[in-house]
Amino acid sequence: DTAVSQTPKYLVTQMGNDKSIKCEQNLGHDTMYWYKQDSKKFLKIMFSYNNKELIINETVPNRFSPKSPDKAHLNLHINSLELGDSAVYFCASTTSGPSGELFFGEGSRLTVL
Amino acid sequence: RKEVEQDPGPFNVPEGATVAFNCTYSNSASQSFFWYRQDCRKEPKLLMSVYSSGNEDGRFTAQLNRASQYISLLIRDSKLSDSATYLCVVTPDTGRRALTFGSGTRLQVQP
Repeated sequence: DTAVSQTPKYLVTQMGNDKSIKCEQNLGHDTMYWYKQDSKKFLKIMFSYNNKELIINETVPNRFSPKSPDKAHLNLHINSLELGDSAVYFCASTTSGPSGELFFGEGSRLTVL
Repeated sequence: RKEVEQDPGPFNVPEGATVAFNCTYSNSASQSFFWYRQDCRKEPKLLMSVYSSGNEDGRFTAQLNRASQYISLLIRDSKLSDSATYLCVVTPDTGRRALTFGSGTRLQVQP
């Protein structure tokens, strides 16, 4: 019974295409995130939503658009994919409390050719 | 300067060894500190929180030095299963709850 699930796990696509990654959590958490982990293994926050409201939007190209239809879902749509978008994208969730524990999905490995 | 800096390693140690990692953070207003563990091609998972007074969980001891702005993780009696990347994680300040991750220190425990 997966707590944070992402689909797809693997995505291989051509430059210029548009793709989406979906994330769902069944933990009842209020806050969800998208992180990007590049080839150097550096995990960098992209977006955060709290109860469907965008609260963090780091310096990310506007080709990336998050959407949260409800607090259990946070999707990521990427337009006009570029080679540099190749990375592992992790969805995560946490409660609003101060514990700070992030629960991550298994990651979606995107390869842009 | 990066917000959170770690020695990338790898640290290659024999089974049974004691190994220590350090991590420095740049924002003196940082509030919360954690160590996460990430296995190869897997998601990060919380290993332990780091409290001001220092804390221990079995073979793992975490310490925080606010004056020098560094966090440490000590692993005693290393096991093969401890081989992973250890990520130092900081919550920058109260106004922004997103955790900031260091790039990780890779540990390889050898038989």
